[in-house]
Amino acid sequence: GIQVEQSPPDLILQEGANSTLRCNFSDSVNNLQWFHQNPWGQLINLFYIPSGTKQNGRLSATTVATERYSLLYISSSQTTDSGVYFCAVQNLGGGADGLTFGKGTHLIIQP
Amino acid sequence: EAGVAQSPRYKIIEKRQSVAFWCNPISGHATLYWYQQILGQGPKLLIQFQNNGVVDDSQLPKDRFSAERLKGVDSTLKIQPAKLEDSAVYLCASSPNRDTGYTFGSGTRLTVV
Repeated sequence: GIQVEQSPPDLILQEGANSTLRCNFSDSVNNLQWFHQNPWGQLINLFYIPSGTKQNGRLSATTVATERYSLLYISSSQTTDSGVYFCAVQNLGGGADGLTFGKGTHLIIQP
Repeated sequence: EAGVAQSPRYKIIEKRQSVAFWCNPISGHATLYWYQQILGQGPKLLIQFQNNGVVDDSQLPKDRFSAERLKGVDSTLKIQPAKLEDSAVYLCASSPNRDTGYTFGSGTRLTVV
């Protein structure tokens, strides 16, 4: 099956700093999503981004499907950005299209 | 629009007991998924429904896990009998169709003692 690798596994930053999270995947995919899992366990969909670049406030994401990677940028970090960020990929072949998740990047923003 | 509803939020059971989780997807979403998330790991797909039919259950431990989606709306996931290694968060997600983004529920945290 598809392998998803995220880096770094852990990241500690001061409030106001910028960060870049990376997701590499081992095969072609139809779609890719970035999620934020907050300390209460809720998975929030940040971006649905099979290719190209999207921005939403302080967050933006870029996926280069031909090179099998995606990047999530967080600017001017706030303490509420803390949590685990997951990259998940989707392959629509064969009828099944469940997401395959990476292990996540654990982000801690210190005040 | 209302989100994906799951219940209960928490459940503690003894090993070998049975447990059931319930999920109500977003209205009109044809596709429903159950995921298992063990502490420190990313979620893993257990089963995928399209309307009330199973699309993929290849990672569902069928000797103890079962799931159904009657009438193509609500779904239940059952574990019988539970093992210690089933302790995890069980997440339900839905999407309008196969090529759009998912919305996840808040999950059910299961502890097997």
